[in-house]
Amino acid sequence: AQSVTQPDIHITVSEGASLELRCNYSYGATPYLFWYVQSPGQGLQLLLKYFSGDTLVQGIKGFEAEFKRSQSSFNLRKPSVHWSDAAEYFCAVGAPGGATNKLIFGTGTLLAVQP
Amino acid sequence: GAVVSQHPSRVICKSGTSVKIECRSLDFQATTMFWYRQFPKKSLMLMATSNEGSKATYEQGVEKDKFLINHASLTLSTLTVTSAHPEDSSFYICSAAMGPGGREQFFGPGTRLTVL
Repeated sequence: AQSVTQPDIHITVSEGASLELRCNYSYGATPYLFWYVQSPGQGLQLLLKYFSGDTLVQGIKGFEAEFKRSQSSFNLRKPSVHWSDAAEYFCAVGAPGGATNKLIFGTGTLLAVQP
Repeated sequence: GAVVSQHPSRVICKSGTSVKIECRSLDFQATTMFWYRQFPKKSLMLMATSNEGSKATYEQGVEKDKFLINHASLTLSTLTVTSAHPEDSSFYICSAAMGPGGREQFFGPGTRLTVL
Protein backbone atom coordinates (compact mmCIF):
# COMPACT_ATOMS: atom_id res chain seq x y z
CA ALA A 1 0.00 0.00 0.00
CA GLN A 2 1.09 3.53 -0.62
CA SER A 3 2.22 5.68 2.26
CA VAL A 4 3.83 9.06 2.73
CA THR A 5 6.03 10.14 5.60
CA GLN A 6 6.90 13.68 6.52
CA PRO A 7 9.29 13.21 9.43
CA ASP A 8 9.26 16.81 10.59
CA ILE A 9 6.04 17.89 12.25
CA HIS A 10 7.23 21.42 12.92
CA ILE A 11 10.18 23.41 11.58
CA THR A 12 11.31 26.92 12.43
CA VAL A 13 13.70 28.82 10.19
CA SER A 14 14.92 32.39 10.12
CA GLU A 15 13.82 34.64 7.33
CA GLY A 16 16.36 34.49 4.53
CA ALA A 17 17.64 31.07 5.53
CA SER A 18 17.39 28.03 3.30
CA LEU A 19 14.69 25.43 3.79
CA GLU A 20 14.34 21.74 3.15
CA LEU A 21 11.20 19.80 4.00
CA ARG A 22 11.48 16.06 3.86
CA CYS A 23 9.09 13.64 2.23
CA ASN A 24 9.51 9.89 1.87
CA TYR A 25 7.06 7.59 0.17
CA SER A 26 6.39 3.92 -0.11
CA TYR A 27 5.19 2.65 -3.45
CA GLY A 28 6.16 -0.20 -5.75
CA ALA A 29 6.83 1.95 -8.78
CA THR A 30 7.38 5.61 -9.51
CA PRO A 31 4.37 7.48 -8.21
CA TYR A 32 3.06 10.88 -9.03
CA LEU A 33 4.39 13.29 -6.40
CA PHE A 34 3.02 16.60 -5.22
CA TRP A 35 3.75 19.32 -2.72
CA TYR A 36 0.92 21.53 -1.46
CA VAL A 37 0.84 24.49 0.88
CA GLN A 38 -2.05 25.40 3.15
CA SER A 39 -2.52 28.63 5.06
CA PRO A 40 -4.77 28.53 8.15
CA GLY A 41 -8.42 28.02 7.26
CA GLN A 42 -7.64 27.83 3.57
CA GLY A 43 -7.64 25.16 0.92
CA LEU A 44 -4.58 23.63 -0.69
CA GLN A 45 -2.36 25.38 -3.19
CA LEU A 46 -0.19 23.28 -5.47
CA LEU A 47 3.47 24.22 -5.25
CA LEU A 48 4.85 21.68 -7.70
CA LYS A 49 4.37 18.21 -9.09
CA TYR A 50 6.36 15.36 -10.56
CA PHE A 51 5.02 12.89 -13.07
CA SER A 52 8.10 11.82 -15.00
CA GLY A 53 11.22 13.16 -16.67
CA ASP A 54 13.63 15.62 -15.09
CA THR A 55 13.91 14.75 -11.42
CA LEU A 56 14.45 18.35 -10.34
CA VAL A 57 11.13 20.15 -10.44
CA GLN A 58 10.62 23.87 -10.24
CA GLY A 59 7.49 25.23 -8.68
CA ILE A 60 5.84 28.47 -7.72
CA LYS A 61 7.09 30.93 -5.12
CA GLY A 62 10.70 29.90 -5.63
CA PHE A 63 10.24 26.31 -4.44
CA GLU A 64 11.84 23.28 -6.00
CA ALA A 65 11.83 19.57 -5.24
CA GLU A 66 14.00 16.69 -6.27
CA PHE A 67 12.77 13.17 -6.87
CA LYS A 68 15.32 10.62 -5.73
CA ARG A 69 14.22 7.14 -6.65
CA SER A 70 17.00 5.42 -4.70
CA GLN A 71 15.89 7.15 -1.51
CA SER A 72 12.15 7.15 -2.24
CA SER A 73 12.21 10.82 -1.44
CA PHE A 74 10.78 14.02 -2.82
CA ASN A 75 12.17 16.78 -0.61
CA LEU A 76 11.03 20.36 -0.99
CA ARG A 77 13.60 23.15 -0.96
CA LYS A 78 13.77 26.91 -1.05
CA PRO A 79 17.06 28.84 -0.98
CA SER A 80 15.76 31.84 0.93
CA VAL A 81 12.61 31.75 3.02
CA HIS A 82 10.25 34.70 3.28
CA TRP A 83 7.98 35.41 6.23
CA SER A 84 4.98 34.78 3.98
CA ASP A 85 6.11 31.18 3.54
CA ALA A 86 4.92 30.35 7.06
CA ALA A 87 2.21 27.73 6.52
CA GLU A 88 1.53 24.00 6.56
CA TYR A 89 3.14 21.95 3.82
CA PHE A 90 1.83 18.62 2.62
CA CYS A 91 3.51 16.04 0.45
CA ALA A 92 1.17 13.76 -1.49
CA VAL A 93 1.53 10.64 -3.58
CA GLY A 94 -0.68 9.40 -6.38
CA ALA A 95 -0.62 6.02 -8.10
CA PRO A 96 -0.28 6.18 -11.89
CA GLY A 97 -2.33 4.00 -14.14
CA GLY A 98 -5.47 3.68 -12.11
CA ALA A 99 -8.91 4.75 -13.22
CA THR A 100 -9.00 7.32 -10.47
CA ASN A 101 -5.81 8.71 -9.04
CA LYS A 102 -6.37 8.88 -5.34
CA LEU A 103 -3.88 10.93 -3.39
CA ILE A 104 -2.32 9.87 -0.14
CA PHE A 105 -1.19 12.78 1.98
CA GLY A 106 1.60 12.99 4.48
CA THR A 107 0.89 14.31 7.94
CA GLY A 108 2.20 17.74 7.06
CA THR A 109 5.03 19.98 8.24
CA LEU A 110 4.21 23.26 9.91
CA LEU A 111 6.73 25.91 8.96
CA ALA A 112 7.32 28.90 11.21
CA VAL A 113 9.53 31.76 10.03
CA GLN A 114 11.43 33.88 12.52
CA PRO A 115 12.21 37.50 11.67
CA GLY B 1 -7.87 27.77 -15.31
CA ALA B 2 -8.81 24.68 -13.26
CA VAL B 3 -10.71 26.48 -10.54
CA VAL B 4 -12.80 24.62 -7.99
CA SER B 5 -15.27 26.36 -5.72
CA GLN B 6 -17.04 25.22 -2.59
CA HIS B 7 -20.17 26.55 -1.02
CA PRO B 8 -20.70 27.45 1.70
CA SER B 9 -17.27 28.38 3.01
CA ARG B 10 -18.51 28.21 6.56
CA VAL B 11 -21.64 26.73 8.11
CA ILE B 12 -22.93 26.39 11.63
CA CYS B 13 -25.82 24.06 12.29
CA LYS B 14 -27.68 22.46 15.16
CA SER B 15 -27.16 18.86 16.11
CA GLY B 16 -29.52 16.57 14.24
CA THR B 17 -29.86 18.70 11.15
CA SER B 18 -28.44 17.96 7.71
CA VAL B 19 -25.97 20.12 5.85
CA LYS B 20 -25.21 20.13 2.14
CA ILE B 21 -21.85 21.25 0.77
CA GLU B 22 -21.41 21.94 -2.93
CA CYS B 23 -18.25 21.49 -4.95
CA ARG B 24 -18.08 22.93 -8.43
CA SER B 25 -15.45 22.86 -11.15
CA LEU B 26 -15.81 26.28 -12.72
CA ASP B 27 -13.87 26.02 -15.95
CA PHE B 28 -13.43 22.34 -16.67
CA GLN B 29 -15.35 19.10 -16.63
CA ALA B 30 -14.50 16.90 -13.69
CA THR B 31 -15.02 13.24 -14.33
CA THR B 32 -13.91 12.47 -10.81
CA MET B 33 -14.29 14.43 -7.61
CA PHE B 34 -12.89 13.65 -4.21
CA TRP B 35 -14.03 14.58 -0.73
CA TYR B 36 -11.58 14.98 2.11
CA ARG B 37 -11.93 15.70 5.78
CA GLN B 38 -9.32 17.54 7.77
CA PHE B 39 -9.25 17.65 11.55
CA PRO B 40 -7.50 20.55 13.27
CA LYS B 41 -3.76 20.42 12.82
CA LYS B 42 -4.08 17.15 10.95
CA SER B 43 -3.64 15.94 7.41
CA LEU B 44 -6.33 15.37 4.83
CA MET B 45 -8.23 12.12 5.03
CA LEU B 46 -9.89 10.91 1.86
CA MET B 47 -13.54 10.17 2.53
CA ALA B 48 -14.80 9.17 -0.86
CA THR B 49 -14.28 9.27 -4.60
CA SER B 50 -17.19 10.16 -6.81
CA ASN B 51 -17.54 9.65 -10.52
CA GLU B 52 -20.17 11.49 -12.51
CA GLY B 53 -23.33 9.48 -12.85
CA SER B 54 -22.33 6.64 -10.59
CA LYS B 55 -22.26 5.83 -6.90
CA ALA B 56 -19.43 7.16 -4.81
CA THR B 57 -16.71 4.87 -3.54
CA TYR B 58 -16.20 5.35 0.17
CA GLU B 59 -12.99 4.77 2.07
CA GLN B 60 -12.94 2.25 4.85
CA GLY B 61 -14.51 3.56 8.01
CA VAL B 62 -16.54 6.31 6.33
CA GLU B 63 -20.28 5.92 6.86
CA LYS B 64 -21.94 6.17 3.50
CA ASP B 65 -25.37 6.73 5.04
CA LYS B 66 -24.07 9.65 7.03
CA PHE B 67 -22.03 11.29 4.32
CA LEU B 68 -24.16 11.25 1.19
CA ILE B 69 -22.31 12.11 -1.99
CA ASN B 70 -23.94 12.95 -5.28
CA HIS B 71 -22.09 13.70 -8.51
CA ALA B 72 -24.97 14.58 -10.79
CA SER B 73 -23.04 16.47 -13.43
CA LEU B 74 -19.50 16.91 -14.69
CA THR B 75 -19.17 20.16 -12.79
CA LEU B 76 -20.99 19.54 -9.53
CA SER B 77 -20.64 17.17 -6.61
CA THR B 78 -22.41 17.53 -3.30
CA LEU B 79 -21.66 16.17 0.14
CA THR B 80 -24.56 16.00 2.56
CA VAL B 81 -23.80 15.43 6.21
CA THR B 82 -26.97 13.85 7.55
CA SER B 83 -28.12 14.15 11.16
CA ALA B 84 -24.99 16.06 12.00
CA HIS B 85 -23.44 15.79 15.45
CA PRO B 86 -20.67 17.80 17.10
CA GLU B 87 -18.12 15.13 16.20
CA ASP B 88 -18.83 15.84 12.53
CA SER B 89 -17.44 19.33 12.98
CA SER B 90 -14.47 19.57 10.69
CA PHE B 91 -12.95 21.18 7.60
CA TYR B 92 -14.23 19.51 4.45
CA ILE B 93 -12.28 19.92 1.22
CA CYS B 94 -13.21 18.75 -2.23
CA SER B 95 -11.05 18.27 -5.27
CA ALA B 96 -11.68 17.57 -8.91
CA ALA B 97 -9.72 15.75 -11.59
CA MET B 98 -10.01 16.23 -15.32
CA GLY B 99 -10.82 13.23 -17.46
CA PRO B 100 -10.48 9.57 -16.58
CA GLY B 101 -7.38 8.94 -14.51
CA GLY B 102 -6.64 12.67 -14.35
CA ARG B 103 -3.20 12.93 -12.84
CA GLU B 104 -3.73 16.12 -10.93
CA GLN B 105 -6.43 17.13 -8.50
CA PHE B 106 -7.56 20.71 -8.18
CA PHE B 107 -8.70 21.65 -4.71
CA GLY B 108 -11.54 23.78 -3.48
CA PRO B 109 -11.06 26.31 -0.69
CA GLY B 110 -12.77 24.14 1.91
CA THR B 111 -15.88 24.35 4.06
CA ARG B 112 -15.72 24.77 7.81
CA LEU B 113 -18.60 22.87 9.44
CA THR B 114 -19.44 23.52 13.07
CA VAL B 115 -22.20 21.46 14.66
CA LEU B 116 -23.56 22.84 17.91
